[in-house]
Amino acid sequence: QLQLQESGPGLVKPSETLSLTCTVSGGSISSSSYYWGWIRQPPGKGLEWIASIYYSGSTYYNPSLKSRVTTSVDTSKNQFSLKLSSVTAADTAVYYCARLGASIAARRLDYWGQGTLVTVSS
Amino acid sequence: DIQMTQSPFTLSASVGDRVTITCRASQSFSGWLAWYQQKPGKAPKLLIYKASTLESGVPSRFSGSGSGTEFTLTISSLQPDDFATYYCQQYYTYPLTFGGGTKVEIK
Repeated sequence: QLQLQESGPGLVKPSETLSLTCTVSGGSISSSSYYWGWIRQPPGKGLEWIASIYYSGSTYYNPSLKSRVTTSVDTSKNQFSLKLSSVTAADTAVYYCARLGASIAARRLDYWGQGTLVTVSS
Repeated sequence: DIQMTQSPFTLSASVGDRVTITCRASQSFSGWLAWYQQKPGKAPKLLIYKASTLESGVPSRFSGSGSGTEFTLTISSLQPDDFATYYCQQYYTYPLTFGGGTKVEIK
């Protein structure tokens, strides 16, 4: 059974960089069939897609965050990561990692991590 | 970007009721639409994809329909476990976008 687990600091200071890692178990991140994504949810609000990355490093970013987002993949560790720079209180959210298909027909988010709350505060 | 608008924002219903949630897109696209269920403190769970295909293990009381710019999620007979927030999401094109959510509450 595929499992995803987010990890990283729960508290980040304003203007600093938020860094999260998602560890995938029960399957290979190097599968040609899937992208790996990041989604966030501010407290009490809806879902926002942040980015998707392929094992080769190919990426898609949300234009609203693109200038501040970097994603990477470490196939040796079966992990992928998110960095969000120059954070403000508006970036406080639960951050989820998830799997999505590589083709348009399969691009739904079918496996999710449990989510991790990141609070931006001094 | 394709904007997704869900209605209603909140829905009050009783066990056994038939419930319908609507999702409208700002532009027409073929049925690359998914529905998710989210309970408090939990990650979203995929219910339906390709507008009407039930994800494995999801009860058959859930169904989806629609095309173009209007899509619906129907729960044929609401069960206690179904009280949650539901989101639609288009995956026709990047950026992937979600509806604002519909909270199904106990009446």
